[in-house]
Amino acid sequence: GNSVTQMEGPVTLSEEAFLTINCTYTATGYPSLFWYVQYPGEGLQLLLKATKADDKGSNKGFEATYRKETTSFHLEKGSVQVSDSAVYFCALRKGQAGTALIFGKGTTLSVSS
Amino acid sequence: EAGVTQFPSHSVIEKGQTVTLRCDPISGHDNLYWYRRVMGKEIKFLLHFVKESKQDESGMPNNRFLAERTGGTYSTLKVQPAELEDSGVYFCASSQGGGSNQPQHFGDGTRLSIL
Repeated sequence: GNSVTQMEGPVTLSEEAFLTINCTYTATGYPSLFWYVQYPGEGLQLLLKATKADDKGSNKGFEATYRKETTSFHLEKGSVQVSDSAVYFCALRKGQAGTALIFGKGTTLSVSS
Repeated sequence: EAGVTQFPSHSVIEKGQTVTLRCDPISGHDNLYWYRRVMGKEIKFLLHFVKESKQDESGMPNNRFLAERTGGTYSTLKVQPAELEDSGVYFCASSQGGGSNQPQHFGDGTRLSIL
């Protein structure tokens, strides 16, 4: 079946460090891929997305590239800030089999100054 | 524009009681989804409405859960009777279209605690 696997957290970094959160997926066909973020006390917000192979999604300094050959969609940021502390969810969505999002378990990021 | 609104933000009830969660989607969004995150696990899909019709309810855990969207505007999710394993955060999301590249906009969630 379709699934998303994220690296286990929590991830603890110092301000200005480089961030990578790994995400791999299993799906037939060509799903769309998403990263959602949940800041403390808030709901899920779409961070970025990519809809086809080799697309790069980017927002707020975060980037992720849709790699079909490795079935991956790793999230990266060159220099994290304290305000980036949140839970990050990788997700996929298929078109033909329904429109539900399939999420990974989430990765908690904690950035200290 | 106003985002997806969920009410209440937090509900604490005893096992066996009934609780109704409400979701107001973004105005004009025909697609409405319910998801649930239980005990730090994955966020899992419950069901999907297109306007007032249930498009996909394959994620509903059992018949204690009833979702409605009368008139195709807001939606309610009722749990009756509530069990301990129903505790978690219930998210609602809406989107304008149903395609796979259409982003879903989420509410802040309702944290449900069953005692």
